Amino acid sequence: DAMVIQNPRYQVTQFGKPVTLSCSQTLNHNVMYWYQQKSSQAPKLLFHYYDKDFNNEADTPDNFQSRRPNTSFCFLDIRSPGLGDAAMYLCATSRFSGRATYNEQFFGPGTRLTVL
Amino acid sequence: QKEVEQDPGPLSVPEGAIVSLNCTYSNSAFQYFMWYRQYSRKGPELLMYTYSSGNKEDGRFTAQVDKSSKYISLFIRDSQPSDSATYLCAMSPNILTGGGNKLTFGTGTQLKVEL
Repeated sequence: DAMVIQNPRYQVTQFGKPVTLSCSQTLNHNVMYWYQQKSSQAPKLLFHYYDKDFNNEADTPDNFQSRRPNTSFCFLDIRSPGLGDAAMYLCATSRFSGRATYNEQFFGPGTRLTVL
Repeated sequence: QKEVEQDPGPLSVPEGAIVSLNCTYSNSAFQYFMWYRQYSRKGPELLMYTYSSGNKEDGRFTAQVDKSSKYISLFIRDSQPSDSATYLCAMSPNILTGGGNKLTFGTGTQLKVEL
């Protein structure tokens, strides 16, 4: 089945220790997104890639970086995690054709990050 | 003021009840309105989407959009215990620029359907 896969599902890191979260997709979608969802809060878009073009949200802290080495994979790097970065991190994908005005986003199961 | 407001609940109803979930928004540019269901420790999954004002029905689910009031609703008929989840509304403008559509989510309403 075509899907969005996130690894690991649970990640524990120490305060200030860099961490990388992984997302892969078999949908061959050209857009990939990273959202941060804190407990009882709305998912918040951090950034997205349209093909290789990186689009950062204005209020995303510099501590968060992303890489997309190919169509299938996208990584979220947190350079120096703080306690406030503990959250569920959701990866999503969509296909943007340039003509359609709506394209569904498909979400992965998320990675729950704990910062000690 | 948040762009999208959603009552967080929790909402507890008996099996078979009709459930009404609602969101209000402030951004007039929103054109597409979605409802996502999120089970505990899982990613959101799309239930329905609606373009502009109107109603859309899919099985036991009905989505309504009233753009004049900036108000959207999701109705669940004959609710089942398997409907117990968090329901997130999401919205996006009509964007034809590169980069796909940016979703703005509500905080989600936690629903529990009890036997």
